[in-house]
Formats: sequence, C-alpha cells, structure tokens
Amino acid sequence: KQEVTQIPAALSVPEGENLVLNCSFTDSAIYNLQWFRQDPGKGLTSLLLIQSSQREQTSGRLNASLDKSSGRSTLYIAASQPGDSATYLCAVSNSGGSNYKLTFGKGTLLTVNP
Amino acid sequence: DADVTQTPRNRITKTGKRIMLECSQTKGHDRMYWYRQDPGLGLRLIYYSFDVKDINKGEISDGYSVSRQAQAKFSLSLESAIPNQTALYFCATSDTGTRPYEQYFGPGTRLTVT
Repeated sequence: KQEVTQIPAALSVPEGENLVLNCSFTDSAIYNLQWFRQDPGKGLTSLLLIQSSQREQTSGRLNASLDKSSGRSTLYIAASQPGDSATYLCAVSNSGGSNYKLTFGKGTLLTVNP
Repeated sequence: DADVTQTPRNRITKTGKRIMLECSQTKGHDRMYWYRQDPGLGLRLIYYSFDVKDINKGEISDGYSVSRQAQAKFSLSLESAIPNQTALYFCATSDTGTRPYEQYFGPGTRLTVT
C-alpha cells in the first residue's frame, strides 16, 4: 500500500526566504505526483503535476522535482511571501487509466512571516 | 463562477439522519471523486466515478453511497449519519485530456453530526 509522508509538518520562515518542502512515498512505481495548496477552511488548488517520466515542473516561483528511484519529491518556493502561507499537500497515483487514484500526504503547514 | 461547486457548504445534522451532499462541475471532466479530510489523517478517498455507469469504492466507502446523475453531477449520501462522519468533504474532478488526471477540487462541505 502506497504511503506518502511530508516533512516537516509545519514550517515558519521570514518573508523573502527560499524554502523547500519535502514529500516521500514508499512505492516508487508511481504514475504521477501532484502538489496542492490548501488555504484554511477551503478547497485544494492544484499547483504542479509531474508525470513519472519528468524530473521537474515549474510555475512562477514554484519548482517541483521528482526522484522516482528514491521515492522523493520536493517543492521549492523562491522568495517566499506572506500570501504563500497555507498547507501544502503532496499526492501520488500508482496507476493511470481506470485504476487512477491519489494517495495524499498529511501536508506541511507553511507560515511566512512579514 | 466556480468550476466545481458543492452544496451545502456547511451542515449540522443529528445521528441517524440521512443526508446528501451534492457536487456539480462545469469543466466537462469525465471523472469525479469524493474525499473526506480529518485532522491528522489527511484526505481519504470515499468513492470515485469515471462516467455515469462506472462507480468505484475508495479507501473508506462503508457508511456512504453515491449517485452519478449526469456527467456533471455526483452526489454523496450518508444513509444514517454517525458522529465519526463529522469531517470536511471534498468533491474533485479530472479528465484524460491535455493535463491527464490533474484533479480540481471544490470548496468543500463541512459536515457536523451531533
């Protein structure tokens, strides 16, 4: 059974700092990996999706990398801003097609202090 | 207007009552999902549907049922609500198009069973 772990559970940084959020998964035979952002009491917003054949994806100040062999992904946030404060969730699927299902980590709560 | 909508947004009900949560989407996606989110447990998949005729159980389907009334509508029912079904419920959609399987979430329904 796939298990997804996110470390740290919470992170507090000053504004402007570059930071890395970590995601690890036990079964490296993944189909894809998705990073989400969740604001308090709200739904999830998709940030980046990395297919198993890709090593990284970038969107603005966000960069997600994938190392399948080691079962790890990182989300790099450059020049953090208070508006980046949220919970960041990592999720993986082991199959495409009719067996496509996401397994989620518990998230990292990020606080960016002005 | 939001692409994925959920009604109601908040609901308080009593033990033993039947309750239905509704999800509608305007994204034209074929796949729809129901998750619940509990503090410390992350998101867990309840049911998922790949089209109107294809319904599948997820990780925690006991005590729940679903109906896919149309491609755009997917309802979750609790036949006899119990307190441990108190949680935040999310609907999500995806398709197999240009960004295969990327999931888009609704704003959530906060359900309290007393």
